[in-house]
Amino acid sequence: EVKLVESGGGLVQPGGSLRLSCAGSGFTFSSYWMNWVRQPPGKGLEWVANIRQDGGATFHVDSVRGRFTISRDNTGNSLYLQMNSLRAEDTAVYYCARVNRGYCGGDYCYYLDYWGQGTLVTVSS
Amino acid sequence: SYELTQPPSVSVSPGQTASITCSGDKLGDKYPCWYQQKPGQSPVLVIYQGTERPSGIPERFSGSNSGSTATLTISGTQAMDEADYYCQAWDRYTNVFGTGTRVTVL
Repeated sequence: EVKLVESGGGLVQPGGSLRLSCAGSGFTFSSYWMNWVRQPPGKGLEWVANIRQDGGATFHVDSVRGRFTISRDNTGNSLYLQMNSLRAEDTAVYYCARVNRGYCGGDYCYYLDYWGQGTLVTVSS
Repeated sequence: SYELTQPPSVSVSPGQTASITCSGDKLGDKYPCWYQQKPGQSPVLVIYQGTERPSGIPERFSGSNSGSTATLTISGTQAMDEADYYCQAWDRYTNVFGTGTRVTVL
C-alpha cells in the first residue's frame, strides 16, 4: 500500500523557518517525481514545488522561489521542504504528493496519484 | 502564468448529472486531471489523462476535454459526491490547479 506521511508543521513567527518532511512507503520512492502542494485555510489548492527522481531538477512557484527549497533523500525514502523567511500568507496545510505519468498524444503526461494527509503550518506572531 | 478557471459552485439534485467545467489556454492539449476533496480530507484523484478513471473511482465519474475546456461529469450524482473539485494541468514543469468548484447535492 502506498503511503505518504507528512510531519514538521507547527506555529512559527513571521521571518522564521520550518522544515517539512514526507515519508514514503509501499513504492519505489526513487522512481517518482514528487510534489508539495499547499492549501490556505478555506481556500483552494496551490502547487508549491516539485523535484525529479534523482533530485537533480527542482521547480518552485514564483511566490516561494528563493525562500523555500524542495529536496529528497532516496536512501531514506523522504521528501523535504525547507521553508525560510516565512510570511503570514504561507499559512496553509502542506501536502506531499506522488507524481505518476502516462502517455498522452505522443508525449508523457503527469498526475498526482497519491497524497499525504497534510501538515498544518501557521505563520503568526 | 498559466491559469485554469472553474465556476465557484454547481448545484445538482440526487440522481441527476453534474457538469463542472475548467477553462485554460489549449487545455485540451494538456490532458488535465480532476481531484475531489471532501471537508477535512486530502484530495483524491478521480480523473487523469483527461478521460481516465483510477481504480476504485465509480463509473459515474467521467472526463472530457477539447480545445480550451475540460469537463468533469458526475452521472447519477449521489449525496456522497458533495465535495470540492479541482482541475489540474502541467505547464512545462510547473503544476497549475483550477480555482475549484463546490458541488452541492440538494
